[in-house]
Amino acid sequence: QLLESGGGLVHPGGSLRLSCATSGFTFSNIAMSWFRQAPGKRLEWVSSIGGSADNTYYADSVKGRFTISRDRSQNTLYLQMDSLRAEDTALYHCARVLGGPDVGADSFGYWGQGTLVTVSS
Amino acid sequence: EIVMTQSPATLSVSPGERATLSCRASQSIRNNLAWYQQKPGQSPRLLIYAASTRATGIPDRFSGSGSGTEFTLIISSLQSEDFALYYCQQYNDWPRYTFGQGTRLEIK
Repeated sequence: QLLESGGGLVHPGGSLRLSCATSGFTFSNIAMSWFRQAPGKRLEWVSSIGGSADNTYYADSVKGRFTISRDRSQNTLYLQMDSLRAEDTALYHCARVLGGPDVGADSFGYWGQGTLVTVSS
Repeated sequence: EIVMTQSPATLSVSPGERATLSCRASQSIRNNLAWYQQKPGQSPRLLIYAASTRATGIPDRFSGSGSGTEFTLIISSLQSEDFALYYCQQYNDWPRYTFGQGTRLEIK
C-alpha cells in the first residue's frame, strides 16, 4: 500500500514536502518514483530513487528544485519541492516498480491515490 | 524524449463487444511498454507489462501485443467495469518514462 500526504496550496516560490507511506513490502528492496498529473494533461514522470538511495533521477522540469529521498526506518518516500511554480500544479502520485531495487526498465505495479499540489498566488 | 501517441482519443463500444486501443512510440522501445487503466478519482492500475504480459489479477479478456514502435491493447468482451481511461507508458528510455495522452473508452 502507498499513501501520499503533504499536498496543499502554496504561493509561487514556496516549498512543500510530500510523503509516501508504504507498507506490505520490503521498502529498501524496491525502487520508487514520483509522477504527477496536471488537469487535462498526460501523466508525467518527476523523479526516481533506487532502493538503497544511492541513485536519484529527476525530470529536467524539476531538476535543481525538487529532491527525492527515502527513510528506511519509516518505510517512507519523500519529495521536497522548492521554488514552486504554477506549472507544478498537479496531483502527485508515488509508485513502486514491479521488480527490484534498481531504477531501470520496469513498469509501475503499485500506485498511491495521490496528493494535490496547487501553486497559486 | 520518446513521445507516445495513442489512438483513438475516445472509443465508443457496446458492452460485450471488443475494443482495440493503439499506442505508437516515436522510436523503438523494443517490448518495454506497459498499459494502465485509470478510473475517475483512482490511481493508475497496471494491466500489461513487457507489451504482452498480464499483471497479477488482470482478467484474460485483456491482451497486449506489439514491439518496436507499434502496440495494441485488446479487450475482448467489454464489461461495465472496463469503461475507463487507458494509458500506455514506455520504460525503455528510463528514467525518462513517458506516457501516451490516453484513450477514453466509453459506453456506446
